[in-house]
Amino acid sequence: QVQVVQSGAEVKKPGSSVKVSCKVSGGIFSGYVINWVRQAPGQGLEWMGGIIPMFGTPKYAQKFQGTITITADESSSTAYMEVSTLRVEDTAVYYCGRGGVDYSDEFDFWGQGTLVSVSS
Amino acid sequence: SYVLTQPPSVSVAPGQTATITCGGNNIGSKSVHWNQQRPGQAPVLVVYDDTKRPSGIPERFSASNSGNTATLTISRVEAGDEADYYCQVWDDIVHSVVFGGGTKLTVL
Repeated sequence: QVQVVQSGAEVKKPGSSVKVSCKVSGGIFSGYVINWVRQAPGQGLEWMGGIIPMFGTPKYAQKFQGTITITADESSSTAYMEVSTLRVEDTAVYYCGRGGVDYSDEFDFWGQGTLVSVSS
Repeated sequence: SYVLTQPPSVSVAPGQTATITCGGNNIGSKSVHWNQQRPGQAPVLVVYDDTKRPSGIPERFSASNSGNTATLTISRVEAGDEADYYCQVWDDIVHSVVFGGGTKLTVL
C-alpha cells in the first residue's frame, strides 16, 4: 500500500526559510506528479506546484513562482518544497499529494500535512 | 484563471441525500476530482475523473459532470460524512491545478 509521509511541524521566524519533505513508499514515485498544496488556517486548499521526479523540472502556480522551490530525490523517493523568506502569512498546513502521470490527474494519496508556523 | 464555485455549506439529516455542486465555465469538458477533508485531517480522494470511485470509497458516493456544473451526491448520509468537500480540475490555460472554495457538509 502506498504511504506518503511528511516531515514534522516547524516554527520559524519571519525572513527565514523552511524545507518540507514528502516521502513516498510502497508505490510509484519517479513517474508520477508530486504536488504541493497549502491550507492557511480556516481556509481552503491552494495548489502551489508540482514535480515529476524522473523529469526533474517543477511546475509552479503563478502566485508562488519565485517564492518556493520544489525538488525531488529519486534515490530516496522523497520530494521537497522550500519556502524562502517566510512571512507571517505563510503560516499554514502544507500537504503533498501524489498525482498521476499528468498534472490533470487526481491526487490518489496525500501526506498527513506539515504545519509551518511563522511568528516573531 | 479558471474559477470553481461551490456553496459554502450544505446541511442534511442522517439517512438523507446530500448534493454538493461545483460550478465552472464549461466544466463538463474537464475532468473533475472530489476530495473529502474531515476536521483536522488530510484530504482524501472520494471521486476522480468525474464519476469514478477509488477502492474503499462507499457506493453511497457518486458524481456527475455536465455543462457548467459538476455534482457530488452522497446518499444515505452518515455522521462520518461530515467534512469539507473540494472539487478539483486542471486549468490548461495557465497550467495550474484549481480547487473550488470547499463546501462544509453538516449532518444535522
